Amino acid sequence: ETGVTQTPRHLVMGMTNKKSLKCEQHLGHNAMYWYKQSAKKPLELMFVYSLEERVENNSVPSRFSPECPNSSHLFLHLHTLQPEDSALYLCASSQDSDRGGATNEKLFFGSGTQLSVL
Amino acid sequence: LAKTTQPISMDSYEGQEVNITCSHNNIATNDYITWYQQFPSQGPRFIIQGYKTKVTNEVASLFIPADRKSSTLSLPRVSLSDTAVYYCLVSNNAGNMLTFGGGTRLMVKP
Repeated sequence: ETGVTQTPRHLVMGMTNKKSLKCEQHLGHNAMYWYKQSAKKPLELMFVYSLEERVENNSVPSRFSPECPNSSHLFLHLHTLQPEDSALYLCASSQDSDRGGATNEKLFFGSGTQLSVL
Repeated sequence: LAKTTQPISMDSYEGQEVNITCSHNNIATNDYITWYQQFPSQGPRFIIQGYKTKVTNEVASLFIPADRKSSTLSLPRVSLSDTAVYYCLVSNNAGNMLTFGGGTRLMVKP
């Protein structure tokens, strides 16, 4: 148990559906992340929230919409996805220690949501 | 952006020591080096982190030369359960953009 919980564990959705992925961390961290991992591909960073403020990642399509209502919860809202969006979506958290010093954040990951878009 | 380069895959046998090297030629002064382990359909798990010289914990050692342009993860006496993908991550000092490379797929055989 890493202290980061993701739900649902598996999700199958059609291209016209709207769904949301949920992440909750019980570690008292102040930064949360969404990563995408497609089959046999590296982890792709999608979004970062630090102190509940979003760090933009311009390469992510607008059909993915993150929401961070507080430092413990992170959502990824999905709408009109494509089959190529099928992947393992991973949430992570860390304690942001970058105050002008060394960047030594350790990421704690959830088990992910395996998403299939039909 | 401190890009990392690792071997795509490695094979080993139970009981052997495994060394996985990561190159990070553009590492910044303030960056740390962190290694993660990932099993299929799970999130990566922190293994070890270091800044320079040598770090050792209960599962691995991390060797970092003086120029810090590379690092080597050393797994002593691997077992079948160490079969996984291992990622080397160098913190990007431009904020929190923690970017993973391709990782090294380690296969431990009986």
